[in-house]
Amino acid sequence: GQQLNQSPQSMFIQEGEDVSMNCTSSSIFNTWLWYKQDPGEGPVLLIALYKAGELTSNGRLTAQFGITRKDSFLNISASIPSDVGIYFCAGSINTGTASKLTFGTGTRLQVTL
Amino acid sequence: DAGITQSPRHKVTETGTPVTLRCHQTENHRYMYWYRQDPGHGLRLIHYSYGVKDTDKGEVSDGYSVSRSKTEDFLLTLESATSSQTSVYFCAIRAGGTGELFFGEGSRLTVL
Repeated sequence: GQQLNQSPQSMFIQEGEDVSMNCTSSSIFNTWLWYKQDPGEGPVLLIALYKAGELTSNGRLTAQFGITRKDSFLNISASIPSDVGIYFCAGSINTGTASKLTFGTGTRLQVTL
Repeated sequence: DAGITQSPRHKVTETGTPVTLRCHQTENHRYMYWYRQDPGHGLRLIHYSYGVKDTDKGEVSDGYSVSRSKTEDFLLTLESATSSQTSVYFCAIRAGGTGELFFGEGSRLTVL
């Protein structure tokens, strides 16, 4: 099946720092989604991207849909303690019918004061 | 809140026993999904449904069956649970015409 490589796998940062993570695929997608998961809970949708080259923001979060349609990036500016969690990218090839998402393996973010 | 309820939230069972997980939604969404989450693998699609009695397999469907007799309920059944099916199971719905999925809180299954 399709593979999504997400990096880094984990990162420790200090509060106030900016964070970058990315996701690459061996095949193209026409939708990229970014989720955050807290312990014991389900993934929560952060940002959705639908066009190659699209740059979308949600508060301190900014995500981009790569031009090649094989990658996506998520940036978090001025991190705060509640940003701690696991961030997943997900790609989908069909939006007109059942959206079968392929997920990356996640980036674990830990924020120190 | 996507109006998704999963039950049970936690279950411990023994190898060889049948297990059914239930996903209930309150907003009449057409598409529903079951994923499993394991360390190092992210979330992987087990089965999905595109309407009442309409289901299809995902990438890790072996050992699982599903049923959808009503719009609001999507059941995942393990006919004979194995230790490799110890996992956290997430139900999801697709809202509207976008590709966005919204997830329930998960059901943690331990097979001894």
